Amino acid sequence: EIVLTQSPATLSLSPGERATLSCRASQSVSTYLAWFQQKPGQPPRLLIYEASNRATGIPARFSGSGSGTDFSLTISSLEPEDFAVYYCQQRSNWPRTFGQGTKVEIK
Amino acid sequence: QVQVVESGGGVVQPGRSLRLSCAASGFTFNDYGMHWVRQAPGKGLEWVAIIWSDGTNAYYADSVRGRFTISRDNSKNIVYLQMNSLTAEDTAVYYCARDWKWNLDYWGQGTLVTVSS
Repeated sequence: EIVLTQSPATLSLSPGERATLSCRASQSVSTYLAWFQQKPGQPPRLLIYEASNRATGIPARFSGSGSGTDFSLTISSLEPEDFAVYYCQQRSNWPRTFGQGTKVEIK
Repeated sequence: QVQVVESGGGVVQPGRSLRLSCAASGFTFNDYGMHWVRQAPGKGLEWVAIIWSDGTNAYYADSVRGRFTISRDNSKNIVYLQMNSLTAEDTAVYYCARDWKWNLDYWGQGTLVTVSS
């Protein structure tokens, strides 16, 4: 199965700062990578699909990039509601797999 | 609006079975595949299974293959997850999610399954 490794495990930033999260795949997934946001007690929310496409209703401050094995999610200017855990997920192969998550916390 | 609502969770003894349900509304159910994803307490997300829109095909995670079965009733807009031979490692919140172009775009609130004697 494809292993997704996210870094860093925790990102401590202040509101207004830029956040850059990384996801590395153990083999190429082309651009078949998605990003999810999860807040405590809530289900995950789809942010980005196919590496760089924002899902419906997702603000423009969220952007995704990458292809092959290296991907990133950027939040251009953190809003208070953006502090959460972020997961990447590949849809290139079965079984589908998720990264272990990056927690974006308030510094 | 699109809604998926899971039910059927609870406390079950090791080795026993449980069936989860996911009721969908707000979209044409038989046009979409459906997934189950789980999250152990304090842990990350683990994809569990998918079923095709017409129910003709399914895939499973290695950790549940042979023990769990996903199925659906398109006349009732419900997808099921039959879980057999449960172990403590199956303790998790189980989420149902819609498949949109092979992405998981709408998720339910989840149902908690606790495997304990």
